[in-house]
Amino acid sequence: SSELTQDPAVSVALGQTVRITCQGDSLRSYYASWYQQKPGQAPVLVIYGKNNRPSGIPDRFSGSSSGNTASLTITGAQAEDEADYYCNSRDSSGNHPGVVFGGGTKLTVL
Amino acid sequence: QVQLVQSGAEVKKPGASVKVSCKASGYTFTSYGISWVRQAPGQGLEWMGWISAYNGNTNYAQKLQGRVTMTTDTSTSTAYMELRSLRSDDTAVYYCARAAIAAAGENWFDPWGQGTLVTVSS
Repeated sequence: SSELTQDPAVSVALGQTVRITCQGDSLRSYYASWYQQKPGQAPVLVIYGKNNRPSGIPDRFSGSSSGNTASLTITGAQAEDEADYYCNSRDSSGNHPGVVFGGGTKLTVL
Repeated sequence: QVQLVQSGAEVKKPGASVKVSCKASGYTFTSYGISWVRQAPGQGLEWMGWISAYNGNTNYAQKLQGRVTMTTDTSTSTAYMELRSLRSDDTAVYYCARAAIAAAGENWFDPWGQGTLVTVSS
């Protein structure tokens, strides 16, 4: 099966822009979706498809993709954005298609 | 509003089975699938599988094949996940999530249930 690779930790100064990346072969075929998870809470979808935000997600969150890399960008990071972020995509490699998650990126807002 | 409400925490002995429920509300249950995702303590998210609420078709993660069964009850808009032959490394929070798939094939999960802690310990 395919894998998605994320940096374990990223930091950003308050109000600055940060990009969280996700790499994997499956991203050449499928857009990634992105989830925010705060301690003790269930994940929340923040980006899906080419660059779509569910209702209620601030427009400082955006997504992009190029080749085997998907990116989640937070423009003007806020203190409440400090969380773990996971990417996910379909995985059609091998003989057992499924779904794969990245290992997660812990975002610290300084 | 769209909501998924899961059953409560469970403590099981190694070798036992657990069945977690996930009751959906606020949308047409049979128009989406349900995926199950688990998260071991301090670890990342692991996809367990998917079930179509429309026709009951399933797709399980290869590593869980043979130990997991996902079902739905459309009369109550409830999905179930049963995991058998439990081991200590099955200790995790188990989440259900509404699964959407676009025409181009990409998928996303929204919303998620609140999670169910399953502890496997002798």
